[in-house]
Amino acid sequence: AQSVTQPDIHITVSEGASLELRCNYSYGATPYLFWYVQSPGQGLQLLLKYFSGDTLVQGIKGFEAEFKRSQSSFNLRKPSVHWSDAAEYFCAVRNNDMRFGAGTRLTVKP
Amino acid sequence: NAGVTQTPKFQVLKTGQSMTLQCAQDMNHNSMYWYRQDPGMGLRLIYYSASEGTTDKGEVPNGYNVSRLNKREFSLRLESAAPSQTSVYFCASSPGTSGGRGDTQYFGPGTRLTVL
Repeated sequence: AQSVTQPDIHITVSEGASLELRCNYSYGATPYLFWYVQSPGQGLQLLLKYFSGDTLVQGIKGFEAEFKRSQSSFNLRKPSVHWSDAAEYFCAVRNNDMRFGAGTRLTVKP
Repeated sequence: NAGVTQTPKFQVLKTGQSMTLQCAQDMNHNSMYWYRQDPGMGLRLIYYSASEGTTDKGEVPNGYNVSRLNKREFSLRLESAAPSQTSVYFCASSPGTSGGRGDTQYFGPGTRLTVL
């Protein structure tokens, strides 16, 4: 069965520092992978998705993610974090239905 | 274009009461979904509807029923609420049908439900 693991429950970074959020998946076939962001009290917004092709995908708000089949990973990155990036981030994989990771909460220090 | 809307935003129920959560989308999407979000567990799919007139169970369907009223609306009903159903409920929609794994889902703002 497909599953998604986000090893970090909570991450704190300083504004302007780089960010990497980890995501590992377990899935037999070619995965369809997604990253969503959820601001407090809001629904989820799609940051980026990967289906095939170039393993480095660009998303909105300056985020990117790299698919590494050998490591079963799809980590999210941003070179320089802004205070407005504080939110919860969810990785997801889809076969017939969507399976979400438990989320990583990002705190940004001034 | 409001996207996905949900009502109510907040609700408190007593154990055993029933209620219906409403969801509507104005994007002419084919598929609609109901998720619940619990701390430390991410989102889990309750039910989905790949097209008007069809519904299917997701990962955690017990204690819930759904109705795809028309293409726009997809409601979630709790017949006899239990404290274990205290959660935040999200509705989502996507353009394609269930076969489209790459289909992007668009989420509503959520309903925070407390069952006492």
